[in-house]
Amino acid sequence: DVVMTQSPLSLPVTLGQTASISCRSSQSLVHSDGDTYLNWFQQRPGQSPRRLIYEVSHRDSGVSDRFSGSGSGTDFTLKISRVEAEDVGVYYCMQGTHWPPTFGQGTKVEIK
Amino acid sequence: EVQVVESGGGLVQPGGSLRLSCATSGITLTRDWMHWVRQVPGRGLVWVSRINRDGSLTTYADFVKGRFTISRDNAKSTVYLQMNSLRVEDTAVYYCVVGLGDYWGQGTLITVSS
Repeated sequence: DVVMTQSPLSLPVTLGQTASISCRSSQSLVHSDGDTYLNWFQQRPGQSPRRLIYEVSHRDSGVSDRFSGSGSGTDFTLKISRVEAEDVGVYYCMQGTHWPPTFGQGTKVEIK
Repeated sequence: EVQVVESGGGLVQPGGSLRLSCATSGITLTRDWMHWVRQVPGRGLVWVSRINRDGSLTTYADFVKGRFTISRDNAKSTVYLQMNSLRVEDTAVYYCVVGLGDYWGQGTLITVSS
């Protein structure tokens, strides 16, 4: 299975600052169809995960433009600009290129 | 509005069985593969099983293979997870997921304990 490694695992952030989460995969996530199936999810306390970003950099409908995804191959990044209190939670990357889909360990974002 | 609602969770003894249901609305269920993902409270997310659009193809994580069966009834917009020979380590919240994370249900807690 593809191993997804996130860093850091804990990220204290000051309100209004930018948070950056790294996700690395043990294999290239470029699919044979040319797309890269790397998604980012947010899980707020007590809630189900919600997808923020799909295919590396495409924001889901209704997701704030403060969230942005980038990367290629095996290295990917989620950035949260102008962090707000509602951004507190755990963020997961997930690859869907290779079966089975696998998730990173999660990065806990908290406010300093 | 898309809704994904799981049901069927609860407390079961080791070796017992449960059947989870996942009812969807607001989407064309035949559009997507459907998945089950689980999460031990306070821990990460783990993919469990998937089923293709017409139910002809299913895949399982090794740790549930031979014990769990995924199925779907597109006429009822519902996906199922039959869980047999349950183990203590199957204790988790089980989420029904549309596609590769497009929509998630609220989850249903399975507790396997004597």
